[in-house]
Amino acid sequence: KAGVTQTPRYLIKTRGQQVTLSCSPISGHRSVSWYQQTPGQGLQFLFEYFSETQRNKGNFPGRFSGRQFSNSRSEMNVSTLELGDSALYLCASSITSGTTEAFFGQGTRLTVV
Amino acid sequence: GENVEQHPSTLSVQEGDSAVIKCTYSDSASNYFPWYKQELGKGPQLIIDIRSNVGEKKDQRIAVTLNKTAKHFSLHITETQPEDSAVYFCAGSYNTDKLIFGTGTRLQVFP
Repeated sequence: KAGVTQTPRYLIKTRGQQVTLSCSPISGHRSVSWYQQTPGQGLQFLFEYFSETQRNKGNFPGRFSGRQFSNSRSEMNVSTLELGDSALYLCASSITSGTTEAFFGQGTRLTVV
Repeated sequence: GENVEQHPSTLSVQEGDSAVIKCTYSDSASNYFPWYKQELGKGPQLIIDIRSNVGEKKDQRIAVTLNKTAKHFSLHITETQPEDSAVYFCAGSYNTDKLIFGTGTRLQVFP
């Protein structure tokens, strides 16, 4: 069974640009959550999607957005990139929403220059 | 707000010794507590979890204990091996997939 797949693995963008990251959950999993990991702030929750609906949102500015498609694949978008957005963005998938085991992908390493 | 504190931040042990990592949570409604292991260049890997209706759970060399009254839970690794070296994260949540993570513990196991 394939795990959580995130693309691309690495990305370099310039300040002010926007970026879209993709996540394909484990087959049969319908919940996708996104996290930002930085050395200074650790792992922080961005948002969760279940059945194409955002179920939960963390404390991030509106520049961070996401969506989920009918096949459960999810994308997150960051607009007007800032240097501080450089981080490892991790996607986690769960069978359903609500305190179930979450399995992480390898992440997308975003560098903003 | 919700908060999970994790200690120690680094832990060095000799191969074969035990390692214990402790976490404290603030939200008394939290009912799910997973532990993740993250190796360099990889995403966090779920290694064990516990729910609030259970006090202890064990899986081979790994065990987790939960004290709801004191709002803390711990990861115990026995007979440590060099391949156990990684960063370990605890987390807590309440009926959602929003995990609040601790700050991580870098475990080094020396041969």
